[in-house]
Amino acid sequence: DAGITQSPRHKVTETGTPVTLRCHQTENHRYMYWYRQDPGHGLRLIHYSYGVKDTDKGEVSDGYSVSRSKTEDFLLTLESATSSQTSVYFCAISESPSGGKTDTQYFGPGTRLTVL
Amino acid sequence: SQKIEQNSEALNIQEGKTATLTCNYTNYSPAYLQWYRQDPGRGPVFLLLIRENEKEKRKERLKVTFDTTLKQSLFHITASQPADSATYLCALVWYGQNFVFGPGTRLSVLP
Repeated sequence: DAGITQSPRHKVTETGTPVTLRCHQTENHRYMYWYRQDPGHGLRLIHYSYGVKDTDKGEVSDGYSVSRSKTEDFLLTLESATSSQTSVYFCAISESPSGGKTDTQYFGPGTRLTVL
Repeated sequence: SQKIEQNSEALNIQEGKTATLTCNYTNYSPAYLQWYRQDPGRGPVFLLLIRENEKEKRKERLKVTFDTTLKQSLFHITASQPADSATYLCALVWYGQNFVFGPGTRLSVLP
């Protein structure tokens, strides 16, 4: 998985609780992404980052926030989890260190989140 | 907004046959089109990339075509094997924009 780890790998939480997912890379690449994957929808972009403290919204950003204080870590936070946020979350990085939006992406192993 | 469709949700074929998966899109053509493989419980893995000015790309038993007139890409796996069973995703990339992934096709190669 190209030096990408995600934690936790599985999480069950209750509606209304805050949740933070972590993505860690050992590649020192500039671009990092958070996606969610749901049946019938494929992968949908939540947020992405193009550098430390530089982030932007994706297609389905409502209810999510992100932070990137170090090149290697990209955090996804659900401020108040809802059942509609039950999903599998994938982190990805660009293929090359300075790669941009058109660069091939390498994905982490995913985090399965269940919100009861 | 762009809409991407991938042929059926699931495709079953016999071992040794050629599997053909389709990826159709609306509106304007992307700069790149990529294909990824995803196994259950794992993240997608990049397979092939084809640019808008390329008609065909090959890698071992894989072949991708890109027809901007039909707004379609075809992904072929020749001499398919049970180990090729997975979900295959197409991803479209337009200059300056983020990837847009299709919903995927789950391929099952039956022995």
